Order: sequence, then structure tokens, then C-alpha cells
Amino acid sequence: DAGVIQSPRHEVTEMGQEVTLRCKPISGHNSLFWYRQTMMRGLELLIYFNNNVPIDDSGMPEDRFSAKMPNASFSTLKIQPSEPRDSAVYFCASSPGLFAYEQFFGPGTRLTVL
Amino acid sequence: SQELEQSPQSLIVQEGKNLTINCTSSKTLYGLYWYKQKYGEGLIFLMMLQKGGEEKSHEKITAKLDEKKQQSSLHITASQPSHAGIYLCGADGRSQGNLIFGKGTKLSVKP
Repeated sequence: DAGVIQSPRHEVTEMGQEVTLRCKPISGHNSLFWYRQTMMRGLELLIYFNNNVPIDDSGMPEDRFSAKMPNASFSTLKIQPSEPRDSAVYFCASSPGLFAYEQFFGPGTRLTVL
Repeated sequence: SQELEQSPQSLIVQEGKNLTINCTSSKTLYGLYWYKQKYGEGLIFLMMLQKGGEEKSHEKITAKLDEKKQQSSLHITASQPSHAGIYLCGADGRSQGNLIFGKGTKLSVKP
């Protein structure tokens, strides 16, 4: 298996632009998680899905952030409009289920907003 | 809400030395996960502990969960440069199904 796939690996954009991050979870995994990592705040859970349904989005910082999972093999995290404070590494992870399962992380997308 | 505190925040050791990283929870741990992260990369799963007093080992890394299930330790024996990275502990948010992570411990191993 190829593991969790994220694209792009690096994104540089200007403030105010729309940014879309993509994730393909491991086939057969029912749960998908979006995280953000910064030096100051560490690894933060933004939102997670189970069977394509959002379970908890309380970690999404603002209405500028939105996430979708239209099917079991694809998810997007969108920031519109982007701001410099959104600069971070965004990770997607998937797991077979929600409880007592290892999460498999993708390589991350390093986002820089100028 | 549950919080995880890791100590130390950073650690520099000489190759061959042993070291211990701790993870303390504000609430009872139903599942404790250890991950390792190299700079610029994703997290790699190391071990999961669920039962009080449980201990698991993989190569030179041993993780323990105390009897009260509120603290876990990660011990590396005879450290090597390949052990360098950031170690994160994650807790199973029992009522929610998600993982809550500590801030991480940055380990550097001097050859």
C-alpha cells in the first residue's frame, strides 16, 4: 500500500488567496483526520471524519477553514481567504476506525502564506 | 478537556547513553500512543499501550504505562543517531474517538 498521500507537499501563496490541500487515505480505512503543526502550538487536531461523515470540527480555527470528504478515498481542506498565521505543516492521517487504532500519517503539506 | 504534558521538551545525549521521555495526562488514559517524527516528515507509529502496568518493547525502545494509567514513559537504551527526532505521545480521547497529542520531545544524539 502507498500509505496516506497528500498533495501538494509544499504550497506558497499570498495572503487572501484560496488554498486547497488534498488527502487520499489508505484504502479500507474508515476514519480520516486533519492536523496542523506549528512550533508554537504543536500538533492540533482540526477535524476528523468517520465513514465520510464529519464527527468533530471544533478544532477548525475559523470559518475560513472548511473540509470535505466526498468519498472514502478523498478529502480536502480548504482555506479561504488565507492569512500569514495559517502558515504551518498540515497533516492528514487515516485509521481503520476511531477507537484504539493506530493512525497512519501522510508526509504533510508545508503551507507558507506571504 | 484532556491535556498531555511531555518532559523534557528537548534532550541532547551522547551516543550510547540511555534516556527517558515522560508523558503525563490530566485524566486517565484509555490508550496511549507513541509516535516519532523526523524533521519535515510525517509521524511514524512506535507503540500503543492500553492496560495499566503494560510494557512494550521494540528493538531498543521500551514504553510503559503506569498502573494508574496517567503517565507513560519511553526509554531508549544505548541511543544511536538514528534515534534522533521528535517523540510525541498521543492519548485516546475516549468519548470522542480522536487523538490528543503532547507538544513533543526533541531528541538529539551526538555521535
